[in-house]
Amino acid sequence: KAGVTQTPRYLIKTRGQQVTLSCSPISGHRSVSWYQQTPGQGLQFLFEYFSETQRNKGNFPGRFSGRQFSNSRSEMNVSTLELGDSALYLCASSFQGDTGELFFGEGSRLTVL
Amino acid sequence: GENVEQHPSTLSVQEGDSAVIKCTYSDSASNYFPWYKQELGKRPQLIIDIRSNVGEKKDQRIAVTLNKTAKHFSLHITETQPEDSAVYFCAASDSGGGADGLTFGKGTHLIIQP
Repeated sequence: KAGVTQTPRYLIKTRGQQVTLSCSPISGHRSVSWYQQTPGQGLQFLFEYFSETQRNKGNFPGRFSGRQFSNSRSEMNVSTLELGDSALYLCASSFQGDTGELFFGEGSRLTVL
Repeated sequence: GENVEQHPSTLSVQEGDSAVIKCTYSDSASNYFPWYKQELGKRPQLIIDIRSNVGEKKDQRIAVTLNKTAKHFSLHITETQPEDSAVYFCAASDSGGGADGLTFGKGTHLIIQP
């Protein structure tokens, strides 16, 4: 069974630009969640989608948004990029969001110059 | 909301010794406590988890203990090996796990000295 796939793996943007990251969950998983990882801050929860609906949202500004498609693939978008948005963005999938284990992708490393 | 504190941020132990990482949580409704391991440059992976109806769980060299009264839980690794070097994250959830309400600690960088 293929794992969680995230694209692109690396990207460089400049302040003010916007970026879209993509996540393909494990086949059969309907829950997709997104995390921002920065040195010393651990994994900060952005949002979680289940069957195309956002079920939970973390404490991030409105510049961070996401969506989920009918095939469970998910995208997250960050608009008006700031230097502080530089981070590793991890996507995780699970069967329903309440089965216990999250399966993470390898992440998309965003650098904002 | 839930707040998870994790200590220490860095832990260095001699190969073969034991390592203990501690976490505290704030929400007494939390009932699921997983631990994830992230090796350098790799994705986090679940290594063990515990639910609030048990006090301890073991899996070979790793174990997790939970004290609901004190609202803290710990990861114990015995007979540490070089491959145990990684960042370990604890987490807490009040809805059974998965992505619903899962709050992570900031991580512990475990270094195994040869």
